[in-house]
Amino acid sequence: GQQLNQSPQSMFIQEGEDVSMNCTSSSIFNTWLWYKQEPGEGPVLLIALYKAGELTSNGRLTAQFGITRKDSFLNISASIPSDVGIYFCAGQRSNAGGTSYGKLTFGQGTILTVHP
Amino acid sequence: EPEVTQTPSHQVTQMGQEVILRCVPISNHLYFYWYRQILGQKVEFLVSFYNNEISEKSEIFDDQFSVERPDGSNFTLKIRSTKLEDSAMYFCASSEAREGEKLFFGSGTQLSVL
Repeated sequence: GQQLNQSPQSMFIQEGEDVSMNCTSSSIFNTWLWYKQEPGEGPVLLIALYKAGELTSNGRLTAQFGITRKDSFLNISASIPSDVGIYFCAGQRSNAGGTSYGKLTFGQGTILTVHP
Repeated sequence: EPEVTQTPSHQVTQMGQEVILRCVPISNHLYFYWYRQILGQKVEFLVSFYNNEISEKSEIFDDQFSVERPDGSNFTLKIRSTKLEDSAMYFCASSEAREGEKLFFGSGTQLSVL
């Protein structure tokens, strides 16, 4: 099956530092999504990427869809304590029939801890 | 801001019992999904639903599982005879359109099977 390898597994950083995490896959994805999950909550969509090479920002967050369509990264600049959580990448690809409605393959998550 | 609503937030049941998890997707969304997350693991796809039928399902979604949209607003996941390994957080999600696949997730139902 499709696997996404997300790294690092966890990060401990000081407030104000920049953060970078990435996902790689052996399979091509048509869409990459980055989600954040806080304890007891569902994943919240941060950024969606639709085209190879696309670079998209959402405030202090920047994500890119790799040219090969097999990877993506997420950067967080000037981290703050409320950035704490688990960050998941998720990929979506069409099946042979050209459709794969909402079947996202998730990475294992990056646990981010920000020390004030 | 519109959101996906799930009830109950926690469900405890005995092994072998039937459970129904309920979801109210975002009102103008057409595609509905169930995902689950076993404690400490990644989120896994279970099933997608569109136009009153299952679009796709994973190998996890065996014949013990079923989904239904009983009316214009609710979307349910039924587990017929729960097993210990069904214990997980179950997330409902919905999306507006096929293009883009921006899924919005509910806060989840934590299912504990004893």
